Amino acid sequence: EAGVAQSPRYKIIEKRQSVAFWCNPISGHATLYWYQQILGQGPKLLIQFQNNGVVDDSQLPKDRFSAERLKGVDSTLKIQPAKLEDSAVYLCASRHLAASSYEQYFGPGTRLTVT
Amino acid sequence: DQQVKQNSPSLSVQEGRISILNCDYTNSMFDYFLWYKKYPAEGPTFLISISSIKDKNEDGRFTVFLNKSAKHLSLHIVPSQPGDSAVYFCAARSNSGYALNFGKGTSLLVTP
Repeated sequence: EAGVAQSPRYKIIEKRQSVAFWCNPISGHATLYWYQQILGQGPKLLIQFQNNGVVDDSQLPKDRFSAERLKGVDSTLKIQPAKLEDSAVYLCASRHLAASSYEQYFGPGTRLTVT
Repeated sequence: DQQVKQNSPSLSVQEGRISILNCDYTNSMFDYFLWYKKYPAEGPTFLISISSIKDKNEDGRFTVFLNKSAKHLSLHIVPSQPGDSAVYFCAARSNSGYALNFGKGTSLLVTP
């Protein structure tokens, strides 16, 4: 079974520029999550989708961050404009709705550096 | 407000010995707890979990203990191996939502 795919793996941009990240979850996983992990911290949930609907985006800075999952499969997370404090690893995770445990499967992440 | 706390940033253990990683939580609505392991430049991988209705779950060398009254859980690795060297994250799920709340992680180093 293929894992969660993310691209790009690394991105360096200047502040005020825009950036987009892509995620392809495990096949059949209806639930998709985007996390932000700042250096020295644990992952923090930004947004959760179930199929193509948003379940929780309470911690997403909506003035600059946006995310979509149009066909209920792939998802993109966008930052516009980026700030220095957005430097972090952005992790995508997915989960099968019928899973008996609540484990989420994570992708390798995209490391964003804002200069 | 950090609802899941891992107060030890790092831990060093000799190969073959027991590693004990600790985690405390503040939210009594958490009903499911998970441990993830993370190697550099990789995403976290699921290790073991426990429901709040249990006090112990074992999977091979890994055992998680839950003390609900103390709002404390621990991960035991016996025997520890050099390949266990990684950052371990404790995570908790609230029964009112689906999101996982993560601790800051503990970096485990297992020395030969």
